[in-house]
Amino acid sequence: GAGVSQSPSNKVTEKGKDVELRCDPISGHTALYWYRQSLGQGLEFLIYFQGNSAPDKSGLPSDRFSAERTGGSVSTLTIQRTQQEDSAVYLCASSPGLLAGGHNEQFFGPGTRLTVL
Amino acid sequence: AQSVAQPEDQVNVAEGNPLTVKCTYSVSGNPYLFWYVQYPNRGLQFLLKYITGDNLVKGSYGFEAEFNKSQTSFHLKKPSALVSDSALYFCAVRDGLTGFQKLVFGTGTRLLVSP
Repeated sequence: GAGVSQSPSNKVTEKGKDVELRCDPISGHTALYWYRQSLGQGLEFLIYFQGNSAPDKSGLPSDRFSAERTGGSVSTLTIQRTQQEDSAVYLCASSPGLLAGGHNEQFFGPGTRLTVL
Repeated sequence: AQSVAQPEDQVNVAEGNPLTVKCTYSVSGNPYLFWYVQYPNRGLQFLLKYITGDNLVKGSYGFEAEFNKSQTSFHLKKPSALVSDSALYFCAVRDGLTGFQKLVFGTGTRLLVSP
């Protein structure tokens, strides 16, 4: 079956511009996560959606970052007024979620490489 | 707060030799531990997980990991390394006390297997 997909695969933008990154999770997965992977760094948690519950936004680095999940499926991560330090690979993951019994591994997409000039 | 440490930035091993990639963790409740692998320009792939039960967990591609509660470790192992195992490996932990399934990842260890 189809895995997690992300678009675009690469995005180059100018400082100050807004960008939108898209994630299509695995069908039926109720949990969706966004992470950021900077060069030489591990994965930094950004935000977590579980079903219709309020998202866990505790990892968002600033108010320039926001995310939506429409209809419990597709998610969009928006970065406003991009800065050079936002350059990173943004990874999306999904999992069956709490209703599936918990402790499930996350399935990752290929990521979007964002470069802010 | 939960945390994971991967003390080695890189591990070098010759093909055919056993390999170990180290991971230690810190959580308040019961740990749920995961290993992922990342090949160049690819997303992370799940290798194995420890939730409960047998301390030796077997996973994909011949990898296994040993959970050691007293040493708070979850080292990744393989009896005989392949060149194709060369990749970036991440250990992750979820704290059983928290209601969310948020994983905390280590900084990663690059494994280089030489022919």
